[in-house]
Order: sequence, then C-alpha cells, then structure tokens
Amino acid sequence: EVQVVESGGGLVQPGGSLRLSCAVSGFNFNIYAMTWVRQAPGKGLEWLSIIGGKGVATYYADSVRGRFTISRDNSKNTVYLQMNSLTAEDTAVYYCAKGVTVAGRTRASDYWGQGTLVTVSS
Amino acid sequence: DIQMTQSPSSVSASVGDRVTITCRASQDVSSWLAWYQQKPGKAPKLLIYAASSLQSGVPSRFSGSGSGTDFTLTISSLQPEDFATYYCQQANSFPNTFGPGTKLEIK
Repeated sequence: EVQVVESGGGLVQPGGSLRLSCAVSGFNFNIYAMTWVRQAPGKGLEWLSIIGGKGVATYYADSVRGRFTISRDNSKNTVYLQMNSLTAEDTAVYYCAKGVTVAGRTRASDYWGQGTLVTVSS
Repeated sequence: DIQMTQSPSSVSASVGDRVTITCRASQDVSSWLAWYQQKPGKAPKLLIYAASSLQSGVPSRFSGSGSGTDFTLTISSLQPEDFATYYCQQANSFPNTFGPGTKLEIK
C-alpha cells in the first residue's frame, strides 16, 4: 500500500524558515518524481515544485523560486521542502504527491499525503 | 507560464444528471492535461491523466477529452459522492499550473 505522509508544518513568524518532510512507502521511490502543491485557506491548488527521481532535476513556481528548495533522500524515502523568507501569503496546507510517469515524464500526481498546515503570522 | 481557466466556476446539478466541465489552456499543452477531484478537508484525488486516461479505481462515469488548448471532464450520471470541487492541471511544461477549480453543488 502506498503511503505519503507530510510533517513539519506549524506556526512561523514572517521572515522565518521551515522545513517540510514527506515520507513515503509502498513503491520504488527513487524512480518517481515528487511534487509539492499548496492550498491557501479557501483557495485553489497551487503547484510549487518538482524533483526528479535521482534528485538532480528540479523546477519551481515563480512565487517560490529563490526562497524554497526541494530535495530528496532516496535512502530515507523522503522528500523535503526548505522554505525561507516566509510571508503571510505562504500560509497554506502543503501537500506532497507522487508523480505519474507517461512517455518518460511526470504527467500527473496519483498519491497525495494528507497535507501539513503552515501558518505564517506574528 | 501557461494559464489555465475553467468554466463554469460553479454548477448546481442533481443526482443522475450529466455534467460537463471545461478547461482551457493559454497555450497548446498537447494531451498533457489531468483532472482532480477534491472534497473539503481532503487531498486532491486524480481522476484523469493524459486528457482521457482513467486513473485506476476511478468509476467509468468519469471521462475526459480534448487536446491542444480545450479539454472537458464529463460525469455521465452524477452520484451523491461526486459533489466536490474539480481542478484541471496542465503537465506539458513547468510550472504545472492548475485551473481555478469548478465547484459542483447539489441542486
């Protein structure tokens, strides 16, 4: 059974940092890309970042590029999101999701965690 | 970045109705379009990928079509558990942007 479990959310002051973790099991972790998506309260889904299976290829949304860093440790079946210079606009539930590979590229996300809430407030 | 739009933003329907949701991309995304269902307080659930491929375990009343810039999600006969918000997502180029969502409500 595939499991995706995020952790590390919480309350952080503006300008602060937080590292989210996403632990997975039930599939061959190192051959799938992993994605982070967030959802602000009452709002839609926002794609943030993706990392390839080997951890070399990474891409970011403009809204987080330069502030957030995605990484993975394939020996621990875990993907991370380091978030720096946080503002109130980063308040959201953060989801981690496993990629669906079609024709050699990730074309969707099939298994999602339950999400972890990040609140940026003084 | 590719912008995604959805219409309608909300729709009211009854159990048994046929419902169609439209998604439009600002640029050609070929067939790299996915659809998700999300219920309040829950993670999104993948329904369709590559425009028309049904995800394993998803009921056959869900179907997707389209290519290029125009796509549709059709629910052939609404069931009570289908009332939720639906999002499209393009997966042709990064960032893999989502549409704003369509809320499907009970009439």
